[in-house]
Amino acid sequence: KAGVTQTPRYLIKTRGQQVTLSCSPISGHRSVSWYQQTPGQGLQFLFEYFSETQRNKGNFPGRFSGRQFSNSRSEMNVSTLELGDSALYLCASSLGLATFTDTQYFGPGTRLTVL
Amino acid sequence: ELKVEQNPLFLSMQEGKNYTIYCNYSTTSDRLYWYRQDPGKSLESLFVLLSNGAVKQEGRLMASLDTKARLSTLHITAAVHDLSATYFCAVGRYGGSQGNLIFGKGTKLSVKP
Repeated sequence: KAGVTQTPRYLIKTRGQQVTLSCSPISGHRSVSWYQQTPGQGLQFLFEYFSETQRNKGNFPGRFSGRQFSNSRSEMNVSTLELGDSALYLCASSLGLATFTDTQYFGPGTRLTVL
Repeated sequence: ELKVEQNPLFLSMQEGKNYTIYCNYSTTSDRLYWYRQDPGKSLESLFVLLSNGAVKQEGRLMASLDTKARLSTLHITAAVHDLSATYFCAVGRYGGSQGNLIFGKGTKLSVKP
């Protein structure tokens, strides 16, 4: 069974630009959660999508948004990029709502660098 | 706000030695996860602990959970170089702006010959 895939793996952008990251969950998984990982703040929750609906959102500004498609694939968008947005962005999938399942499976991440 | 504290944050061990990583959390939860992350890689699930007193073992790693003390431990037995990685504990909770998994800062383990 294929794991969680994320594209692209690496991105370099400049301040003020916007970026879209993609995540394909494990087949049959309906929940996708997004996390930001930085050396200073560690792993922080961005949002969770289930059945095309955002179920939970972390404490990030409105520049961070996401969506989920009917095939459970998810995208996150960051507009007006800032230097502090440089991070590893991880998505994780689970069978049902992450609240009620045992394990979230993480993708390889997208490394975003903002110059 | 739920806080998850791991210690130590850095651990340098010699091969063959034993050590324990501690994970304390601030509010009630009955789900505790341990993940491993190799440099530049994603998170790999190691253990899921779902009840008080739960103990799970895989190879040289053993994890336990004491929900009353709000403490989980990851014990390393006879460390080998392949165990060098960063280990995260994460506490599960239902909803909230911190999300469904609240992570500790991670323990960077280096096992030297």
